[in-house]
Amino acid sequence: GAVVSQHPSRVICKSGTSVKIECRSLDFQATTMFWYRQFPKQSLMLMATSNEGSKATYEQGVEKDKFLINHASLTLSTLTVTSAHPEDSSFYICSALRGTGLSYEQYFGPGTRLTVT
Amino acid sequence: DAKTTQPNSMESNEEEPVHLPCNHSTISGTDYIHWYRQLPSQGPEYVIHGLTSNVNNRMASLAIAEDRKSSTLILHRATLRDAAVYYCILRDWVAGNTPLVFGKGTRLSVIA
Repeated sequence: GAVVSQHPSRVICKSGTSVKIECRSLDFQATTMFWYRQFPKQSLMLMATSNEGSKATYEQGVEKDKFLINHASLTLSTLTVTSAHPEDSSFYICSALRGTGLSYEQYFGPGTRLTVT
Repeated sequence: DAKTTQPNSMESNEEEPVHLPCNHSTISGTDYIHWYRQLPSQGPEYVIHGLTSNVNNRMASLAIAEDRKSSTLILHRATLRDAAVYYCILRDWVAGNTPLVFGKGTRLSVIA
């Protein structure tokens, strides 16, 4: 299957600092990528849809100025958590969409665990 | 996407078959049934998907009810590595490039 990587796999940062998480599709080009967040013992919640070359679309309740998404190339999307606070501590998972027309498959990265102290 | 209902948790003995049920009574004619699983501290991974007919692959089998209002993921011989949260997700193929929407899934425990 297709491979999606994330970097870093885990990060600890101090409250008030910013953290950037990278998501790469290693063996295919992804026009569309998605960012999810998962709190302990909960399911994945979609945060935003990232389209190459255009602005991301955020889900209701997700602050676009806090979670900056950049999808500058067909293989890379980044999520920057700005002015992080302890409540932003979570497992962040990206996903890349492969396909065309009506046939798509969604591949997930291994996740990034963010801890804000 | 239409809603699915799964048991919160299930338990299985190692090397026994496991049947994970999923109800999707409001499924539409263009909804595919997808199953993903998430191992601890990892991203979800694809397991299997189908539309109307039963499907088999190296990981599992998917049995779809004739009226498509329910389906069952079958792991033929559970191993300790199969302990994960299993998500049953409906996805409208007409919707194209929309994201998968995850429910709560079923947490499968495998006992040695």
